[in-house]
Amino acid sequence: GAVVSQHPSRVICKSGTSVKIECRSLDFQATTMFWYRQFPKKSLMLMATSNEGSKATYEQGVEKDKFLINHASLTLSTLTVTSAHPEDSSFYICSARVGRQGARSSGNTIYFGEGSWLTVV
Amino acid sequence: RKEVEQDPGPFNVPEGATVAFNCTYSNSASQSFFWYRQDCRKEPKLLMSVYSSGNEDGRFTAQLNRASQYISLLIRDSKLSDSATYLCVGMDSSYKLIFGSGTRLLVRP
Repeated sequence: GAVVSQHPSRVICKSGTSVKIECRSLDFQATTMFWYRQFPKKSLMLMATSNEGSKATYEQGVEKDKFLINHASLTLSTLTVTSAHPEDSSFYICSARVGRQGARSSGNTIYFGEGSWLTVV
Repeated sequence: RKEVEQDPGPFNVPEGATVAFNCTYSNSASQSFFWYRQDCRKEPKLLMSVYSSGNEDGRFTAQLNRASQYISLLIRDSKLSDSATYLCVGMDSSYKLIFGSGTRLLVRP
């Protein structure tokens, strides 16, 4: 089936530095990718919607200058956490929507990456 | 009011028990519905879609009542491996998934 690969799975960085997380759809074209954040024992919260070739749409309360999203191709979206702070430590998960009808999937099927654990020290 | 609400649990049941989870939603998350399963420190994994006619997949049965804006998941003959957090999820018209806070299930021997 469809696979979404997210990298890195774990990253530790120092306060003030930037971290990039990649989300790749491995065997399908993803016109739309979504970025979520999940704090411990909390639900997933949508941060932004990333559409290939256009600017990301951010949810209310999410700083677009802090969480830079780039969706340069139909198979890759990146999230860069800039000037990271300890409160940015969280589980970041991407998901991808299949871009077109296929034999194995429908247009509203969403696949998740494995997630990235970010710890800012 | 949250768009998708569910009882956080935990539900602590013996192996073999039948357990039911409920979920309510507001209008904005009203296109499609799903149940996802999330294991500790892992990504959510799709358990099943939810249809108005009700659907069953092995030991799992999902129901959707649009009039009451209510979704349910029934797990029969619980296994130890069913222990996880079950997420009730709605999808809006722009394909955004809206997650409930999750219901934690613990199946004991």
